[in-house]
Amino acid sequence: DTAVSQTPKYLVTQMGNDKSIKCEQNLGHDTMYWYKQDSKKFLKIMFSYNNKELIINETVPNRFSPKSPDKAHLNLHINSLELGDSAVYFCASSPRLETDTQYFGPGTRLTVL
Amino acid sequence: DQQVKQNSPSLSVQEGRISILNCDYTNSMFDYFLWYKKYPAEGPTFLISISSIKDKNEDGRFTVFLNKSAKHLSLHIVPSQPGDSAVYFCAASTLGGAQKLVFGQGTRLTINP
Repeated sequence: DTAVSQTPKYLVTQMGNDKSIKCEQNLGHDTMYWYKQDSKKFLKIMFSYNNKELIINETVPNRFSPKSPDKAHLNLHINSLELGDSAVYFCASSPRLETDTQYFGPGTRLTVL
Repeated sequence: DQQVKQNSPSLSVQEGRISILNCDYTNSMFDYFLWYKKYPAEGPTFLISISSIKDKNEDGRFTVFLNKSAKHLSLHIVPSQPGDSAVYFCAASTLGGAQKLVFGQGTRLTINP
């Protein structure tokens, strides 16, 4: 059973398009996150949600909008894609907001042409 | 400004020997540290952690050492096995409140038979 899953695994699109990445966790966790791994391989947090409530927004452009329809899902919608958005995006979850151990999905490699 | 740094992008070790991966941090507010392991095309998986009240934590072949005065931690793997070949990420956070893991850029460990 996949604990944290993301779809799609690969996404290739043109500049200016709008795209979404979906994330689901079946661990019963309260908290979910989006991270971006850039070309220099740094993993940086973008957002965190706790019980569908936005907790962290790390100065991410407004073109990125997370949506949490329920505790088990945290989707990432990106408007007007730019070349610099090309990266691997990881979803993660943790049991509670105060828990440090986060469980990661397999990642979505986004390529903007 | 990178608050968590892994200065060795790669490390090659012979099977059966000890692997030592290093990590330095600059933010003295960090009080919880984690190591994650990542295989290609997969998300990072939690390996071991340590809180700032300890200087050592051991789990099987994996031991993490923390030197708070030097703001340095290390991961020891002994004996090293071929399956340990992966990218290892060091991460740090502050306990309590909204969790934000700050990651280093990773060290690629290769175990040679």
